[in-house]
Amino acid sequence: SQQGEEDPQALSIQEGENATMNCSYKTSINNLQWYRQNSGRGLVHLILIRSNEREKHSGRLRVTLDTSKKSSSLLITASRAADTASYFCATVGVSGGYNKLIFGAGTRLAVHP
Amino acid sequence: ETGVTQSPTHLIKTRGQQVTLRCSSQSGHNTVSWYQQALGQGPQFIFQYYREEENGRGNFPPRFSGLQFPNYSSELNVNALELDDSALYLCASSLAGVRGADTQYFGPGTRLTVL
Repeated sequence: SQQGEEDPQALSIQEGENATMNCSYKTSINNLQWYRQNSGRGLVHLILIRSNEREKHSGRLRVTLDTSKKSSSLLITASRAADTASYFCATVGVSGGYNKLIFGAGTRLAVHP
Repeated sequence: ETGVTQSPTHLIKTRGQQVTLRCSSQSGHNTVSWYQQALGQGPQFIFQYYREEENGRGNFPPRFSGLQFPNYSSELNVNALELDDSALYLCASSLAGVRGADTQYFGPGTRLTVL
């Protein structure tokens, strides 16, 4: 079963606009990660934010984490056509001796030239 | 490019058959995880191998099994294939035991179609 949900399921914007995707999860986490997937191929790691962090930046990406609301958001600024992909959040729980990723269903982002 | 490779890229099987998928980890990584991704869904954790032993398992039946070899490469075996096994199978390598090494690096996946 999925850990949480991404919102929206699909997003269509113009180049240059910002794209915001949200992720909610259900259980306590050690960290939350965002991945990108092009055309049903392998996943590319974008950014990791730990449970004691509130915000993180990487290039045009900004991730926030609100553990009280069990939610995270991914902001892509000044989007480009090459950002067109599916974006997934994935959580790593606090229990267990291994770091399995629990993914949401993803947001499909389309950036139009 | 993550340095994680998978073979084959595509595979077509019929119900009841058996399949073996292969994964070569990124250099220096000691942990391999396998995920199943159905069309339009997020990946679901199958199991993880650390130093040649299963280190955790998701909600998949025993007909899904795996191996990890001394060079940390891995195989996923699925017996008695069912139509619902049609999916993209992803492996991911990581380095366990090092603080901060939580990132998993994914291969390009194997697309399995069961007819």
